[in-house]
Amino acid sequence: QVQLQESGPGLVKPSETLSLTCTVSGGSISSDYWSWIRQPPGKGLEWIGYIYYGGSTNYNPSLKSRVTISLDTSKNQFSLKLTSVTAADTAVYYCTRGAGWWAYWGQGTLVTVSS
Amino acid sequence: QSALTQPASVSGSLGQSITISCTGTSSDVGGYNYVSWYQQHPGKAPKLMIYDVSNRPSGVSNRFSGSKSGNTASLTISGLQAEDEADYYCNSYRSSGTSYVFGAGTKVTVL
Repeated sequence: QVQLQESGPGLVKPSETLSLTCTVSGGSISSDYWSWIRQPPGKGLEWIGYIYYGGSTNYNPSLKSRVTISLDTSKNQFSLKLTSVTAADTAVYYCTRGAGWWAYWGQGTLVTVSS
Repeated sequence: QSALTQPASVSGSLGQSITISCTGTSSDVGGYNYVSWYQQHPGKAPKLMIYDVSNRPSGVSNRFSGSKSGNTASLTISGLQAEDEADYYCNSYRSSGTSYVFGAGTKVTVL
């Protein structure tokens, strides 16, 4: 059974870079697609992007200029970087497995953007 | 990037059936069979209930079913139970921008 766990700072200052890591256990990251999805408090879900194990990526057009998703196969992890954050980026960030539908989710981590 | 359209809330009595709609365009829901549905209880991660319009993952109750007609997809919950009370989100592939878009969510209340 694949399990995912997000980790990273819970507080980021405006204009800085949000960085999160997802550790995958119970399966190899060297297959399938790996995605990030976020949910602002009290609001709906937003797809951020995915990375394929071969390294290709695809991002939400509305975030594309600020997002980078990368893989570290040696650690069985993948990561999210979101630059120039504002209060609108405050959300619970989920790492997930898949591209078009997502059966495996991390528990989510709240990232607050505030000075 | 506009969200897919879902009703804000749907309610039903125990044992009844309800249907949640998810309306998009020919560039997303209507153009591809890549619609999925998620159930989310408060404070929990979403759970996949339906993928590729009408396929149910292993372990999901057969009380949940999905369908699509034109630009509108639907999730039907039959034999409504107390534990079905949750938020439900639809998602679809969208060709413009080659991305995935969610609906705004529907709160299901069991009366």
